[in-house]
This record gives sequence, structure tokens and C-alpha cells, in this order.
Amino acid sequence: GQNIDQPTEMTATEGAIVQINCTYQTSGFNGLFWYQQHAGEAPTFLSYNVLDGLEEKGRFSSFLSRSKGYSYLLLKELQMKDSASYLCAVSSEGNYQLIWGAGTKLIIKP
Amino acid sequence: GAVVSQHPSWVICKSGTSVKIECRSLDFQATTMFWYRQFPKQSLMLMATSNEGSKATYEQGVEKDKFLINHASLTLSTLTVTSAHPEDSSFYICSAEGTGNTEAFFGQGTRLTVV
Repeated sequence: GQNIDQPTEMTATEGAIVQINCTYQTSGFNGLFWYQQHAGEAPTFLSYNVLDGLEEKGRFSSFLSRSKGYSYLLLKELQMKDSASYLCAVSSEGNYQLIWGAGTKLIIKP
Repeated sequence: GAVVSQHPSWVICKSGTSVKIECRSLDFQATTMFWYRQFPKQSLMLMATSNEGSKATYEQGVEKDKFLINHASLTLSTLTVTSAHPEDSSFYICSAEGTGNTEAFFGQGTRLTVV
């Protein structure tokens, strides 16, 4: 079957760094996405990885290892507004239909 | 990035009535649109895939006669919840992709409450 695993909840301190892991098992692979979702809002796109390695975009970075079926989202210099759910999603087919993880709720403490 | 507009943002309707939700791609042609439903504290669940000019493909367990999807143009897809019941109360989100895009663009979502 197809499966995406990520931690349910994480807590971090303002100004610190946090890494949110995602492991996946899918029938195919056409890229991995990270989305941020604040409560009551639609997800917003953070990153897309299709090749192995690290993609850096400001305070956020995303890493992918296709051989290990593993990705992580790294958030630096955490701000209170980063408190949200972070969703890992894999595109397993060419039409970009996404398979979603359950999301990781990130709680930022002062 | 591309803009997807979803309307309405929220709606309250009586049990037994129908509600239509619109999803528009404002600055690109969306060959494929996806409709998701999200219950509180749960992840997004794909309901159906809508391809312009053809019938939607529904996920297992989603009633196609209850959730009518129309994708008549490259910029508009609609989801109609027919004979809504309280258990249909949820957050409905559409996303769209054009040709060659590497990300899905999401609408703002519609919070449906059936009373």
C-alpha cells in the first residue's frame, strides 16, 4: 500500500531550529511537497523536491533521499507565526495527484 | 504564484438543501483540479479528480451522486453537495494544476456547516 508517516506533534522554542521528518512508501515517485497549514485555512506551498539533496529557501529548507524514502523540513530562526501544521505530500503519478501525510502540528513556545 | 479562487469562503445551509462551491484558476488554465475534504484535526482527504471536459474520477467511498463535480472550462470547476446533511459539514478545498506545473495551487477553502 501507499503510506506517508510524519510525527503527530512537535514543540520548539522561538528562535530555535526544528526538523520535521517524513517517510514514505508509494508505488511511484514524482516529487515530494511540503505545505504549511494554519488552522482553518487552506495549505500553502513551501517546497518541492524531486531530486536527492537539500533545497534551501530562506528560513525553510527541505531535504530528500529517494533511496531511503525520506524527507525532512528544516525550519530555522523559529517565529511564533510558524506555529501551524506541516503536511508532507508525495506525487506518485504523473498527474500530480498527491498522497498526503497526516500532518505535524508544530507548537512554538516563547 | 498562480491564483486559485474558491467561493464561497463559508456557507451555512439547512439539511436537505444543495450547496455549490466554485473553484476558479484566475491566471492560468487548469487542466486538472482536485477536490479535498478536511475534518477537524485530520489531514486532507482527496474526494475526486476533475479533468476539463470529462467526468470526474471519485475516490473510493465518495458518492458521485451526492458530490457532483463539473469542470466545464479550463478555469472553472464546481462541487455541488446535494441533499446536504450535518455529517457533510466540513472544510472543502480545491486545488488546481496547469500543464507543466510542479505544485498544486490551492483555493482558500470553503467551510460548510449543515444545520
